[in-house]
Amino acid sequence: QVQLVQSGAEVKKPGSSVKVSCKTSEDTFSSHTITWVRQAPGQGLEWMGRITPVLDISSHSRNFQGRVTVTADKSTNTAYMELTDLRSEDTAVYFCARVFRRGGHFDYWGQGTLVTVSS
Amino acid sequence: IVMTQSPVTLSVSPGERATLSCRASQSVSSNLAWYQQKPGQAPRLLIYDGSTRATGVPARFSGSGSGTEFTLTISSLQSEDSAVYYCQQYENWPPWTFGQGSKVEIK
Repeated sequence: QVQLVQSGAEVKKPGSSVKVSCKTSEDTFSSHTITWVRQAPGQGLEWMGRITPVLDISSHSRNFQGRVTVTADKSTNTAYMELTDLRSEDTAVYFCARVFRRGGHFDYWGQGTLVTVSS
Repeated sequence: IVMTQSPVTLSVSPGERATLSCRASQSVSSNLAWYQQKPGQAPRLLIYDGSTRATGVPARFSGSGSGTEFTLTISSLQSEDSAVYYCQQYENWPPWTFGQGSKVEIK
């Protein structure tokens, strides 16, 4: 059974940073792309970034003006998404997901991490 | 690529058919997926490659279309199908883009 297990909820101040983790199996980490999607309260899904650990390739959405960084720790099969310069509008649930190897859809998802930005 | 879904909300009686539409601003071939999301849960993959059901998805869910026009059909709506449905394109990813979602309500 494929699992992606995310870190717990966070409360952050405006201007600070948050780093969310997503732990999975070695099989997933060594052969798939991991991607990050967020969902603001009552809103839709927004793609943020991705990393392919086996190739050390990452990219992110231009919508975040360089505030998002996606990294991977191969020793622990854990992907990370860091968002800097937090604003109230960054309050959202952040999901990691696995990209199907022979396609581009997201076949397994983490449980989500709520990040609340408030002064 | 901008994805546009319609309707925003659909109210359907149990046992009836529900039809959701998704339009891409340019061709995505068959690189289109549908997800179901219930409150407080992560999205769940229903359909990929335009028309292939994911593992464990009931046969009442079907997808069709290619290019710029796609449809998700629930042939006989069940109470547990009340959810928000998103389409997603993955033509030449990254990036990926989602539609804004269609909410299915049970009448």
